[in-house]
Amino acid sequence: DIQMTQSPSSLSASVGDRVTITCRASQSISSYLNWYQQKPGKAPKLLIYTASSLQSEVPSRFSGSGSGTDFTLTISSLQPEDFATYHCQQSYSIPYTFGQGTKLEI
Amino acid sequence: EVQLVESGGGLVKPGGSLRLSCAASGFAFTNAWMSWVRQAPGKGLEWVGRIKSKTDGGTTDYAAPVKGRFTISRDDSKNTLYLQMNSLKTEDTAVYCCILEGYIRGWFFDYWGQGTLVTVSS
Repeated sequence: DIQMTQSPSSLSASVGDRVTITCRASQSISSYLNWYQQKPGKAPKLLIYTASSLQSEVPSRFSGSGSGTDFTLTISSLQPEDFATYHCQQSYSIPYTFGQGTKLEI
Repeated sequence: EVQLVESGGGLVKPGGSLRLSCAASGFAFTNAWMSWVRQAPGKGLEWVGRIKSKTDGGTTDYAAPVKGRFTISRDDSKNTLYLQMNSLKTEDTAVYCCILEGYIRGWFFDYWGQGTLVTVSS
């Protein structure tokens, strides 16, 4: 199975900050990497698919990059509604696997 | 509007069984590839398994921890996805979400239901 490792596990930031979350795969997954945002008590929401494509209606302050084994999710200017947990997920091979999540806190 | 509504969760003893349902609407369920993902309390996300559309073979794949115990099926006439869970263990305690998969140059979990809680405890 492909292991996905996110860093950091938690992150404190302020409104207006630029934030970067990293996801590393245990082997090359090309660009088959997706990012999700999850707020407490809610189901995750797709933000970015295939490493860098922004899902419709997701604000442009979110961006994704990377290929192979190393990927990043960047939020260019944090807004109050962005404080949540972020998960990466590989869809290169079955079983699909997720990172452990990054909790973004004020 | 895509809607996925899970039901069937609850409290079950170790070794017991439970069947979850996911009622789908707002999209062509017959053509959809569907997955189940679970999240144990305070933990991360774990993919459970998926079922392809019947036109793509209708085959299933499972994560190792549930293979042989869980079965995913679908009733396209009812627009409903199922997860039959047998021989349940305490570590199966989680919120279970059904998911409509999407594909654009790669697969992703496009729409999520709100989930149903399964608690396995004596």
